[in-house]
Amino acid sequence: ETGVTQTPRHLVMGMTNKKSLKCEQHLGHNAMYWYKQSAKKPLELMFVYSLEERVENNSVPSRFSPECPNSSHLFLHLHTLQPEDSALYLCASSQRPSEGGYTFGSGTRLTVV
Amino acid sequence: GQNIDQPTEMTATEGAIVQINCTYQTSGFNGLFWYQQHAGEAPTFLSYNVLDGLEEKGRFSSFLSRSKGYSYLLLKELQMKDSASYLCAVRDSNYQLIWGAGTKLIIKP
Repeated sequence: ETGVTQTPRHLVMGMTNKKSLKCEQHLGHNAMYWYKQSAKKPLELMFVYSLEERVENNSVPSRFSPECPNSSHLFLHLHTLQPEDSALYLCASSQRPSEGGYTFGSGTRLTVV
Repeated sequence: GQNIDQPTEMTATEGAIVQINCTYQTSGFNGLFWYQQHAGEAPTFLSYNVLDGLEEKGRFSSFLSRSKGYSYLLLKELQMKDSASYLCAVRDSNYQLIWGAGTKLIIKP
């Protein structure tokens, strides 16, 4: 399988649940990203990993917890989310953190009820 | 603050030409990107401009004027499959990508 794969595609969770989003890339890229996409708003960068080390954390609430066990996999652990966290969560990868030509996954549509 | 402006929505007719504008105010400039995103799908890279002028790639062209903080994406011979959102993004002096909110393009027969 090639490209960037995200699972699940859709997720509905209660505010007290704990869930995880998964991202996998088979492109040999060294940088991976989590973005939040809300309707009619710009993409919001959440986390950046380069060679499995977190290089950026844009003041994201602690209820979002990233994990990068290796250069091909990225997780976003979710707990005690709020309804305003409902959005499309996109994973992306690139050869280097400074590159802009990202390859995106199709995203996880998250609904918090 | 840093800002990218692009129209929220545009409508065009199949077979016609449409121009989607993007203006930016950023801390420095290290390139401008256009992405296409179909509903429910991943954004896909369309073009990259770092020098002034026009970059042509098939039916799609992208123009940049750094002095004006302005770019446009030109789509020719529109097809129904071009109905999508088009995202403009600028890489600033810290090599961070600053994103616009996207332009939803609706193509009518």
